[in-house]
Amino acid sequence: DTAVSQTPKYLVTQMGNDKSIKCEQNLGHDTMYWYKQDSKKFLKIMFSYNNKELIINETVPNRFSPKSPDKAHLNLHINSLELGDSAVYFCASSQEAGTYGYTFGSGTRLTVV
Amino acid sequence: KQEVTQIPAALSVPEGENLVLNCSFTDSAIYNLQWFRQDPGKGLTSLLLIQSSQREQTSGRLNASLDKSSGRSTLYIAASQPGDSATYLCAARKTDKLIFGTGTRLQVFP
Repeated sequence: DTAVSQTPKYLVTQMGNDKSIKCEQNLGHDTMYWYKQDSKKFLKIMFSYNNKELIINETVPNRFSPKSPDKAHLNLHINSLELGDSAVYFCASSQEAGTYGYTFGSGTRLTVV
Repeated sequence: KQEVTQIPAALSVPEGENLVLNCSFTDSAIYNLQWFRQDPGKGLTSLLLIQSSQREQTSGRLNASLDKSSGRSTLYIAASQPGDSATYLCAARKTDKLIFGTGTRLQVFP
C-alpha cells in the first residue's frame, strides 16, 4: 500500500527520557513534515524536510531533532522529555510544488508521565 | 501570517440533513486548500483538494468550494449519515506550509 507510515503508534515514557519516532513514505514525495496536535486538537507544523534538507523549523525547542537519512524517511528524536511534550505527532509528505496535497500518517500518541 | 478559522466549532444534526461547514483564511495568496476528516484517536484522511485556480471539487456526497478573493471555503455534505461523524479540518497551503484550521466537530445522530 502506498502510504505514510509511522512507528510507534503509542509511546508512554517517563520525564527525562529520550525517545524517537520513525516515519517512512513510499509515495515518492520529496518533502516530509512533522506536525504536533495538542490537547485542544490544533495541528501545528514543527519541521519540514525537502530531499533531506531542513526547510522549516518552527521555533521548536532544540530538544527536538529531526533526521532525514533519505527523502523517504524522516525521524523525530526528542531528548529530555517533558510533561508538555505529551501530544499526538503526525508525519506527512507532499511534493514541493505547491499544487500537491498532503498525505498524513496515522499519528504517534506520546504520553510523558 | 496565515490564520485559518472554522465555523462552527461543533455541530450536531439528525441524519439526512444537508450541512455546510465553513473555513476562512486571512492570506488569500494560497496554493491550494485541503479538507480532511479525523476520526477520534485516528489520523487525517484527505477528503478534497482544491487548487487556487479552481472554484470547487466534488467527491460523492461532498462538495468543497473555494473563493480565494474573500478568503473562504465551504464543505457541503449532502444527506448526512451517522458515519459522517468526525472532526473536519480545513488547511491552506502556502509555499511549504500547510496551515490548519481549528476544526468542526460533527455529530450526526440517527
